[in-house]
Amino acid sequence: AQKVTQAQTEISVVEKEDVTLDCVYETRDTTYYLFWYKQPPSGELVFLIRRNSFDEQNEISGRYSWNFQKSTSSFNFTITASQVVDSAVYFCALTSSGGSNYKLTFGKGTLLTVNP
Amino acid sequence: NAGVTQTPKFQVLKTGQSMTLQCAQDMNHEYMSWYRQDPGMGLRLIHYSVGAGITDQGEVPNGYNVSRSTTEDFPLRLLSAAPSQTSVYFCASSYSTEGPVWTQYFGPGTRLLVL
Repeated sequence: AQKVTQAQTEISVVEKEDVTLDCVYETRDTTYYLFWYKQPPSGELVFLIRRNSFDEQNEISGRYSWNFQKSTSSFNFTITASQVVDSAVYFCALTSSGGSNYKLTFGKGTLLTVNP
Repeated sequence: NAGVTQTPKFQVLKTGQSMTLQCAQDMNHEYMSWYRQDPGMGLRLIHYSVGAGITDQGEVPNGYNVSRSTTEDFPLRLLSAAPSQTSVYFCASSYSTEGPVWTQYFGPGTRLLVL
């Protein structure tokens, strides 16, 4: 069975602080894909990044960066110099190519509040 | 492209009523799915489809039916609504050319309240 754990239920920071959102996953598959989605207060789900299990390179996109470590089964997300617009619920998700339904297994989400 | 669209945005039902949540995409995506989001639960897969005429159950299918007569549309039917089906429903679709596992793009969601 697959599982995604986001241990941080809520995080509150002051604008311009750096913040890291943790994601730990469990899967028996050797080929799998990890995702981060953002859900702003408006409610939609916005795709941020996809990473496959064979690519452990960290990725940076503007103020966002992702640290994928297979050794610790983690896929953490860092926002540098946070802004009020970053306030949202962030979901980490996992899927594998071994199953037939390509189901996304979601963590329960981390609510990030960035205060001015 | 409009992407993934869902209607209605909000709906109130009484217990026992039926309704259909609509989902459409104009990106020629093969894979479509329905998730429900409940507080503290993340998102859970209800039903999914890998192409027109093909549907299958996800993690929490009870109380819901789906069909996929066209590539574009994937409606979700509640035959007899129950308060436990109060939730936010998201439709998602994926394009197949990325390989065996696809990035899923979500619609704006339908908020359903069953009284």
